[in-house]
Amino acid sequence: QSVLTQPPSASGTPGQGVTISCSGSSSNIGSNYVYWYQQLPGTAPKLLIYRSNQRPSGVPDRFSGSKSGTSASLAISGLRSEDETDYYCAAWDDSLSSWLFGGGTKLTVL
Amino acid sequence: EVQLVESGGNLVQPGGSLRLSCAASGFTFSSFEMNWVRQAPGKGLEWISYISGSGSTIYYADSVKGRFTISRDNAKNSLYLQMNSLRAEDTAVYYCAAHSSGLKFAYWGQGTLVTVSS
Repeated sequence: QSVLTQPPSASGTPGQGVTISCSGSSSNIGSNYVYWYQQLPGTAPKLLIYRSNQRPSGVPDRFSGSKSGTSASLAISGLRSEDETDYYCAAWDDSLSSWLFGGGTKLTVL
Repeated sequence: EVQLVESGGNLVQPGGSLRLSCAASGFTFSSFEMNWVRQAPGKGLEWISYISGSGSTIYYADSVKGRFTISRDNAKNSLYLQMNSLRAEDTAVYYCAAHSSGLKFAYWGQGTLVTVSS
């Protein structure tokens, strides 16, 4: 069981927006940046959001991140069929001296 | 272009040992913090170990502490993971992943499969 809690699934229709949550605690999300990754089937994860709300070059502005207290969110607007895949949040935990990943959210584009 | 290539994955019996390697190219390896992250079949990502650029700072997940050892050779642009006392639950694809300043786990290898089974 992951210390960072994500919903196992999320869905939306093409063109719509969807938000994926990531809940943690004061020792991880509450005191550190959150990172988001997209993992297509059979491939390595790709960094989508860093420092809670920053996009690496090349990541479309349809993807955005936010953080409030001990929770974070990944928002995807203008859903496309190619967005249908797995998404993970991650944060450093000061108490555990460990990186934590959320359990992952499988996004379905209906 | 940043490239990370893992190798060393194999089928090993419970209690056995294996050494994974990650060859880096396209960047100044010694300047990058490195990690090992694994993914069991059909499961999520699990961070297992971190090493600083100089090798002076190392962290492990509790699940592998005392059994796995991370190391690096900056002269050879290589990262290693020595895995001992392997268990069935260590079966996973193992990725090496690099931090690039504020961009954590910015670069990933393609992964190498470790299967622990008798």
